[in-house]
Amino acid sequence: AQSVTQLGSHVSVSEGALVLLRCNYSSSVPPYLFWYVQYPNQGLQLLLKYTSAATLVKGINGFEAEFKKSETSFHLTKPSAHMSDAAEYFCAVSDLPGTYKYIFGTGTRLKVLA
Amino acid sequence: DTEVTQTPKHLVMGMTNKKSLKCEQHMGHRAMYWYKQKAKKPPELMFVYSYEKLSINESVPSRFSPECPNSSLLNLHLHALQPEDSALYLCASSQDPGSSNQPQHFGDGTRLSIL
Repeated sequence: AQSVTQLGSHVSVSEGALVLLRCNYSSSVPPYLFWYVQYPNQGLQLLLKYTSAATLVKGINGFEAEFKKSETSFHLTKPSAHMSDAAEYFCAVSDLPGTYKYIFGTGTRLKVLA
Repeated sequence: DTEVTQTPKHLVMGMTNKKSLKCEQHMGHRAMYWYKQKAKKPPELMFVYSYEKLSINESVPSRFSPECPNSSLLNLHLHALQPEDSALYLCASSQDPGSSNQPQHFGDGTRLSIL
């Protein structure tokens, strides 16, 4: 069965510092992986997706993620944090083909310090 | 701005009331989803519609009744809810049912409070 682990339920960074949010997955088939952001009182917004085309995926708002099969990881990074990046971030993996399901990680709350 | 529109944004109801949540998308997506999200938790899948037919019901209590009148609309009818049903209800859609590489697009949700 697929699963997703997000290490660190809370991450704090200073404004302008590197953002690194960790996501590890387990999958019996080549995975499709997604990162979403959720701002307070809003739904989930797609940041980026990995669908086996390129291992380094660029998303919106300056975020990117690298798929590393050997490490079963799909960590999210941003070179320089902005106050507006403070939000909840979810990593998700598609379940088996045809099941429509996402398996979500437990989420990481990013706090950006001035 | 989200391309999946949910109404109302907030709903307060008593345990004996009947109400409905509405979701609309005009992206031509053929899969639509209802999720329930409690505070500080990831969304939990409730229902999936594929080509307007219910394809997944994640053992949701019958007090929640989904309906898909057409390919753009998804409703969630609520009746005799319990206080523990208070949550953010999210609707999502994706382009191609059964295609695992298609991302889901989420609405901003309805914040439901049960008195």
